[in-house]
Amino acid sequence: QSVLTQPPSVSAAPGQKVTISCSGSSSNIGNNYVSWYQQLPGTAPKLLIYENNKRPSGIPDRFSGSKSGTSATLGITGLQTGDEADYYCGTWDSSLSACYVFGTGTKVTVL
Amino acid sequence: QLQLQESGPGLVKPSETLSLTCTVSGGSISSSSYYWGWIRQPPGKGLEWIGSIYYSGSTYYNPSLKSRVTISVDTSKNQFSLKLSSVTAADTAVYYCARHILRWLHPTRIDYWGQGTLVTVSS
Repeated sequence: QSVLTQPPSVSAAPGQKVTISCSGSSSNIGNNYVSWYQQLPGTAPKLLIYENNKRPSGIPDRFSGSKSGTSATLGITGLQTGDEADYYCGTWDSSLSACYVFGTGTKVTVL
Repeated sequence: QLQLQESGPGLVKPSETLSLTCTVSGGSISSSSYYWGWIRQPPGKGLEWIGSIYYSGSTYYNPSLKSRVTISVDTSKNQFSLKLSSVTAADTAVYYCARHILRWLHPTRIDYWGQGTLVTVSS
């Protein structure tokens, strides 16, 4: 059972915008940087956003990230059919049981 | 370009030990900048972090699996390994090996992933 909560699914038409929330606590999101991962069907996840709002080389600026308190948000603008995937947030949890944690995952559907 | 490749049996019997190895190519596992980890994903479900290891042998484990997991590293072979004991059907999953960036003395984002290998627990 994940300690980071995401909506199970979001959807929008091509060209529109979607946002995905990731809710945690002070021991994880509240005091650590958040990353976002994209998992296309049948493939390994790929790093999309790191340190809350930074994009690795090659990731288009249609993808953005933000953090406020114990929640983080991934935004995707100009939605494309190729963006249909599962998206996961991830961060370090600094509690006594220090470990890396993933969100529950969100399926993005392009209508 | 860094590559990670999982290897090991695709079928394990209940109550036995699952063993996987990740071979790293295109970079050194002995770099001071990274932790090396294992993540799994049951069919149709989300990602679960299993644990990670530094080249020196320092480890972090998921508390929910800690009693059954051992991660080790072999720097001479540029490999690290996962052992999960007393497996049940609930351990059936795609297992990924991955590289964590080390920051603030702990693993942070995962920037490289292996392709994953399906391990089925069944008699």
